[in-house]
Amino acid sequence: DAKTTQPTSMDCAEGRAANLPCNHSTISGNEYVYWYRQIHSQGPQYIIHGLKNNETNEMASLIITEDRKSSTLILPHATLRDTAVYYCIVRVERGGADGLTFGKGTHLIIQP
Amino acid sequence: ETGVTQSPTHLIKTRGQQVTLRCSSQSGHNTVSWYQQALGQGPQFIFQYYREEENGRGNFPPRFSGLQFPNYSSELNVNALELDDSALYLCASSFQGNYEQYFGPGTRLTVT
Repeated sequence: DAKTTQPTSMDCAEGRAANLPCNHSTISGNEYVYWYRQIHSQGPQYIIHGLKNNETNEMASLIITEDRKSSTLILPHATLRDTAVYYCIVRVERGGADGLTFGKGTHLIIQP
Repeated sequence: ETGVTQSPTHLIKTRGQQVTLRCSSQSGHNTVSWYQQALGQGPQFIFQYYREEENGRGNFPPRFSGLQFPNYSSELNVNALELDDSALYLCASSFQGNYEQYFGPGTRLTVT
C-alpha cells in the first residue's frame, strides 16, 4: 500500500469547515483513498473513500486531485464531537487479507 | 443491527502469562480483523480471519494466534506476554471484499 503523509495536528473553529490534507504521491492506479477517524477511547470509524472522483456522504466530502497524489477530507460544519484523530489510508478497494495500514493521523481539535 | 462488541474492556496480566480476548462481529459480517494500538500510535494489523481460517497476517510473531467460530465471532490469543504487549486491542468486522471495516471499542491490556 502507498504511504501517506498527514499533518500531526490541526485546529478548527466550531461551525467552520475543517479541511484535512493528505499526501499520497506514490499511489497506484488501483488504490483507493480511505478516511477513518478515531474519537478518544473508541475504535476507528469509517468516514468515506474514493478512487479519483470527488465523493460526498452524510459525514464528509473527499476531494482528490487530478493526479491523485493528494486529497482533502472536508467536514463542512465542524462540531465539538468531530474532535478526533483522522487517518488517511491508501489501499486497493478489495484488498483481501492485508488489513488497513494506519499511520499516526491528524489530531483535529475543534475549538468552541 | 448489533455493532461489534469486545470483551473484556480492561484486563491486567503478568509477563509470561497467556491472554484471550473476544470479539463478536456485526450482524451479516463474515470477516474479522484484529489490530494492536500502542499509546500514541495508529492501529497495527495483526491478522484477519475469513471462513474460520487465517487468511492474512501482519508483522506479529506466532505467539499471537486466533480463532474464528461458525457464528463469525473471534478470539485473539497471546502467549508468553511481554511488557510491550500492553496496548489497546481492536477487533473489526467486515463483509469479505467490502471496503468498510467496523471496529469495536477495544480491550485495554496492561502487562506488568
